[in-house]
Amino acid sequence: TQLLEQSPQFLSIQEGENLTVYCNSSSVFSSLQWYRQEPGEGPVLLVTVVTGGEVKKLKRLTFQFGDARKDSSLHITAAQPGDTGLYLCAGASRLNNNNDMRFGAGTRLTVKP
Amino acid sequence: DTGVSQNPRHKITKRGQNVTFRCDPISEHNRLYWYRQTLGQGPEFLTYFQNEAQLEKSRLLSDRFSAERPKGSFSTLEIQRTEQGDSAMYLCASSRGDGYTFGSGTRLTVV
Repeated sequence: TQLLEQSPQFLSIQEGENLTVYCNSSSVFSSLQWYRQEPGEGPVLLVTVVTGGEVKKLKRLTFQFGDARKDSSLHITAAQPGDTGLYLCAGASRLNNNNDMRFGAGTRLTVKP
Repeated sequence: DTGVSQNPRHKITKRGQNVTFRCDPISEHNRLYWYRQTLGQGPEFLTYFQNEAQLEKSRLLSDRFSAERPKGSFSTLEIQRTEQGDSAMYLCASSRGDGYTFGSGTRLTVV
């Protein structure tokens, strides 16, 4: 079982559309990270959030950490084909002594031109 | 290039053989992690080193798996008596305590 549940599992949209993907857990996280992974490569860090309610923006990407630090969302505005990839959230919690990040199964995003 | 380097990129082995993978982390990073990723899943934690000390091991890491980080620099992950279920992407990441930098992984296929 995954400590972090990500939804939707798959998402296919047209270029220019907006989208939101979610990362949920029953556990409280000391920090949560979002990564993007392309086929045959390792994940690449996009952002780290640590404070409940925190919002961070990275160009067209907006990341939000829930007030209770149990969930997070990633919103992409005006998606582009280059945004295609597997979006992973990962969290550190007391369950793993805050030593390492545990990953969700990811949301596989396809943006069609 | 000062990223995380993993070798080999691909490995095909026969069931029952032993394999060893190498990870060279970013030199300033004292923390090193090994993860395993199968198709359609996120990375699963295997083990974690701080400098040369192995501080945590997942129960996924059976007695056929062993990892070392001599001198706190590069790390090796060895799988003995490989099984078909070991087929996966093995990812290494390093960190100074914040975000992880991942290597490109070693894809293992056990036939």
